Amino acid sequence: GAVVSQHPSWVICKSGTSVKIECRSLDFQATTMFWYRQFPKQSLMLMATSNEGSKATYEQGVEKDKFLINHASLTLSTLTVTSAHPEDSSFYICSARFHRQGFRSSEKLFFGSGTQLSVL
Amino acid sequence: RKEVEQDPGPFNVPEGATVAFNCTYSNSASQSFFWYRQDCRKEPKLLMSVYSSGNEDGRFTAQLNRASQYISLLIRDSKLSDSATYLCVGANDYKLSFGAGTTVTVRA
Repeated sequence: GAVVSQHPSWVICKSGTSVKIECRSLDFQATTMFWYRQFPKQSLMLMATSNEGSKATYEQGVEKDKFLINHASLTLSTLTVTSAHPEDSSFYICSARFHRQGFRSSEKLFFGSGTQLSVL
Repeated sequence: RKEVEQDPGPFNVPEGATVAFNCTYSNSASQSFFWYRQDCRKEPKLLMSVYSSGNEDGRFTAQLNRASQYISLLIRDSKLSDSATYLCVGANDYKLSFGAGTTVTVRA
C-alpha cells in the first residue's frame, strides 16, 4: 500500500485562486520532505526541501512567496500555490525521506502519487 | 554542474535485448544510491537500492564504481513493461540528489 499519501490527485481552478496540496507519510516519520514539479515530457524539477519545524529551502528560481511550504509535523507537509496562473499548471509530486545519520540501511524515500494542477 | 547526471536517452531496444546505462555523481560524500522507475505522469517508484559494490534483483543489476563515481543499471531480457524513465538518486546524511532520468523504450 501507499506509504506517502498526496491529496488531491487533480485540481482545476480559476486563475488567481490558491491551491493547497497535502503530503502525508503514513507509516513512518519523515525527517525531510521534498516538493517537485514536472512539466509534460520533462524530468522532475526539485522546488524545495523542507525539514520538520524549520523553513523550507527553495531551489534557485522558485518563488518562496508563491509556493508556500509548511512542514508542521514529521508526517505532514503542505504546498500552497498562491494566486495560481495558467503557467503554474503542472504535475506536482512530494516525497518523504526517513534517514538516520550514519545508518545507510535506514534510508527510506517514497513518493506521493502526484497532483495534476490545471489553472484556467 | 549537476551533482547527479544521466544520459537522457532515449534508449530504444527490442524486446529481449539487454540495455545498460550509467549515472555519474560529483559529490564524493554520497553514501547511498538508488534507482527509481517513473512511468508517464505517475510517481517514481523504488526499483533498487545500491549500498555496496552492486546488487542484482532478477533481470536488473546495479553496479557502483566509487573510484570513477558512477553507478549503472543493466536490464536483461527486456520486457515491454520495462519502458519507463529511470531516475538515479545519490544520498548522504544531509542531501539527496536526483538525476534527470534516462528514458528506455522497449519495442515489440
